[in-house]
Amino acid sequence: NAGVTQTPKFQVLKTGQSMTLQCAQDMNHEYMSWYRQDPGMGLRLIHYSVGAGITDQGEVPNGYNVSRSTTEDFPLRLLSAAPSQTSVYFCASSWGTGDSYEQYFGPGTRLTVT
Amino acid sequence: SQQGEEDPQALSIQEGENATMNCSYKTSINNLQWYRQNSGRGLVHLILIRSNEREKHSGRLRVTLDTSKKSSSLLITASRAADTASYFCAFMTTDSWGKLQFGAGTQVVVTP
Repeated sequence: NAGVTQTPKFQVLKTGQSMTLQCAQDMNHEYMSWYRQDPGMGLRLIHYSVGAGITDQGEVPNGYNVSRSTTEDFPLRLLSAAPSQTSVYFCASSWGTGDSYEQYFGPGTRLTVT
Repeated sequence: SQQGEEDPQALSIQEGENATMNCSYKTSINNLQWYRQNSGRGLVHLILIRSNEREKHSGRLRVTLDTSKKSSSLLITASRAADTASYFCAFMTTDSWGKLQFGAGTQVVVTP
């Protein structure tokens, strides 16, 4: 099992550009989520999905879109990049939605917006 | 807004010493988890404690949960240089089901 994979590992964007961060898992997990991590602020939830075709907003959804067409994939789209979106992005997955399920994290994507 | 807070923000100890970090939250939860993050890596699950448990052990880790005080602590005993990492608590509040929230983390440095 590859677990949770994320691409790319690093990305530099100019303000206003758009891009998609890819996330895939091969564990048949129902729950997937995206977080951003900024210094001193821990992880903040952007969007999450409880299954294919179902997504919902987290704490900081503005400027990001998601879709979940398959169980395996959960891409995160930046619509028009802004310097405030410079961060490290983590994708995670788990067997279920509840808080009794261990989250499996990908290695992260380090994004810089200039 | 962050629902969880951790203290201390940073902790520096020598090998063999114990490291204790605390997590406080604001509203009711069912379970609380602890994660470790090595520099430049994703988070790794350490331990889960349920709201009806007061203490749980896993190897050199000891976690306590006090629901009346809305707080949890993680103790790492006999620390090793390999324990150098950031540690985060995580939970879902009962009024935001599906949204796992993380504390800001405690950065632990263990020197040989």
